[in-house]
Amino acid sequence: SAVISQKPSRDICQRGTSLTIQCQVDSQVTMMFWYRQQPGQSLTLIATANQGSEATYESGFVIDKFPISRPNLTFSTLTVSNMSPEDSSIYLCSVDPGQAYNEQFFGPGTRLTVL
Amino acid sequence: AQSVSQHNHHVILSEAASLELGCNYSYGGTVNLFWYVQYPGQHLQLLLKYFSGDPLVKGIKGFEAEFIKSKFSFNLRKPSVQWSDTAEYFCAVALSNDYKLSFGAGTTVTVRA
Repeated sequence: SAVISQKPSRDICQRGTSLTIQCQVDSQVTMMFWYRQQPGQSLTLIATANQGSEATYESGFVIDKFPISRPNLTFSTLTVSNMSPEDSSIYLCSVDPGQAYNEQFFGPGTRLTVL
Repeated sequence: AQSVSQHNHHVILSEAASLELGCNYSYGGTVNLFWYVQYPGQHLQLLLKYFSGDPLVKGIKGFEAEFIKSKFSFNLRKPSVQWSDTAEYFCAVALSNDYKLSFGAGTTVTVRA
């Protein structure tokens, strides 16, 4: 298993600003993921962040809007840029420790409200 | 297109009642299947998983799920729920050769004491 923490746990931001969310894991993992959970909806994968390579974005998500860093095997950041109210969501990071097929462990999430 | 469908958006039941949540997927090929649970105020955690072998898998807290390949289904069951089972339940699917998880819309389960 893996223990994941995220900062901040929640934030309220103004339109047009940016917020960087941090994800810290208690062990070294190759694969990290960022998801968005919009109000009343399921989780949608934003991107996969593997250390040593550029993040891979899913359809509908672009690097200019959601830049991701992955400087080492225990840490990643997701920035939500030039925010609008439509970006109000819970953002979650997860990791695949490679112990079992596709099994991912999730962080507590960051609840973002954009005014 | 690949998709994961959960049949119920919100289920309300009394303690000791039986619970069954439906999950169907539309994937070609071999899949790995998961149920995740999110208790109020807590993060997502794995309830159970299926990779291969016995299609009836048992998870934590008395939950079980049955993989029926012919029906593309992976329904979650619990014979007797408790108030503490109040949570949101997500079905997730991945192709066995792919790391990406696709989630269903989730089912909110409310158990009345």
